[in-house]
Amino acid sequence: GAGVSQSPSNKVTEKGKDVELRCDPISGHTALYWYRQSLGQGLEFLIYFQGNSAPDKSGLPSDRFSAERTGGSVSTLTIQRTQQEDSAVYLCASSFSGREGAFFGQGTRLTVV
Amino acid sequence: AQSVTQLGSHVSVSEGALVLLRCNYSSSVPPYLFWYVQYPNQGLQLLLKYTSAATLVKGINGFEAEFKKSETSFHLTKPSAHMSDAAEYFCAVTPLIGCYNKMIFGAGTRLAVHP
Repeated sequence: GAGVSQSPSNKVTEKGKDVELRCDPISGHTALYWYRQSLGQGLEFLIYFQGNSAPDKSGLPSDRFSAERTGGSVSTLTIQRTQQEDSAVYLCASSFSGREGAFFGQGTRLTVV
Repeated sequence: AQSVTQLGSHVSVSEGALVLLRCNYSSSVPPYLFWYVQYPNQGLQLLLKYTSAATLVKGINGFEAEFKKSETSFHLTKPSAHMSDAAEYFCAVTPLIGCYNKMIFGAGTRLAVHP
């Protein structure tokens, strides 16, 4: 597609349920990033994929969070046993090398009730 | 480890006044630097980037930023604010280390423009 696509755009889930957030990067982009933006807060780095290298998972807040990137393209961020503090907008971005800047999707707004 | 500090979480200016949003980075070598803008209920959009070609970088919507190595700064400016500039602005840094280009963002500065 022309841009980074994220789905769903909105997700309401019950506390304790698992959720999967999807990111379709721009075709050909080797770098893919996930960030979390809580209400009124900045962008919290979660995970970074670069080509076939092992991902940088240093930003994942707990072992309930995991992400994978299949075939160097689509990425899925999974949150297990969701908690209310997981409520936030989850942003995905991709870039060709990272050095030209990243292109962001519109985000997935997650609400845990 | 790289980090980015944006001084001032909120900045308010009058329409037509100078906009100055501050960004300082911490890095052992000059990195690539970026400014992004986020309008209400929208995603992030790249405003401009520094990639070592020129220290004064011009971006969209009349914004520019100057890289100052001696001050480890990359402040964003616009000579005359417009009401439509009201948004959140993020400074970001990525290292110059081979293929490793993790992007770290500052906490953001919310710009308000009043008549």
